[in-house]
Amino acid sequence: EVQLVQSGAEVKKPGESLKISCKGSGYSFTSYWIGWVRQMPGKGLEWMGIIYPGDSDTRYSPSFQGQVTISADKSISTAYLQWSSLKASDTAMYYCARRGIMVRGDRNGFDIWGQGTMVTVS
Amino acid sequence: DIQMTQSPSSLSAPVGDRVTITCRASQSISNYLNWYQQKPGKAPKLLIFAASSLQSGVPSRFSGSGSGTDFTLTISSLQPEDFATYYCQQSYSTPPTFGGGTKVEIK
Repeated sequence: EVQLVQSGAEVKKPGESLKISCKGSGYSFTSYWIGWVRQMPGKGLEWMGIIYPGDSDTRYSPSFQGQVTISADKSISTAYLQWSSLKASDTAMYYCARRGIMVRGDRNGFDIWGQGTMVTVS
Repeated sequence: DIQMTQSPSSLSAPVGDRVTITCRASQSISNYLNWYQQKPGKAPKLLIFAASSLQSGVPSRFSGSGSGTDFTLTISSLQPEDFATYYCQQSYSTPPTFGGGTKVEIK
């Protein structure tokens, strides 16, 4: 079964650092881009950035550039999202998702999603 | 960034009704438009990609249409399990922005 499994919920204080994870299985992890999506409480979806685990090529939304770091360890099929100094406004659910290859090129949607990691900063 | 505007933001309909949700892009995105369904407490699920292609395993009562700037998601006969929030997303350019969502509720 193709799946992405994310790390568990986190409760942190402002100023603390955090790294959450997303482990892929059931497919070739290095062949698909993995993206991160934020959903603040009661709000919509925001695309944060994306990484290609095969070579760690990474792209960020301008809204999140410099605020978070996306990385991957292909040896353990895991992508990461990290903060160096959390703020209360980082409180949200964070999803990782696999960009599919339903159409040629890089203009695909997310076909597989992780279950989400709730981050609470208070 | 390309802005995606969905309408309505919410709707109420009975089981069996035909439901249409619209999504408008601030510039042409060809057919690079995806639709997702999100139920409370769950991750989004891809329904439609490339504006009109049904993702594997998605019931045929869901359909998508449109190109350029205007798109629609149609549910031909609303079922109890379809009550959820629906999001469009453009994948034409980075960042691939989402619409604000349409919440479909039971009438």
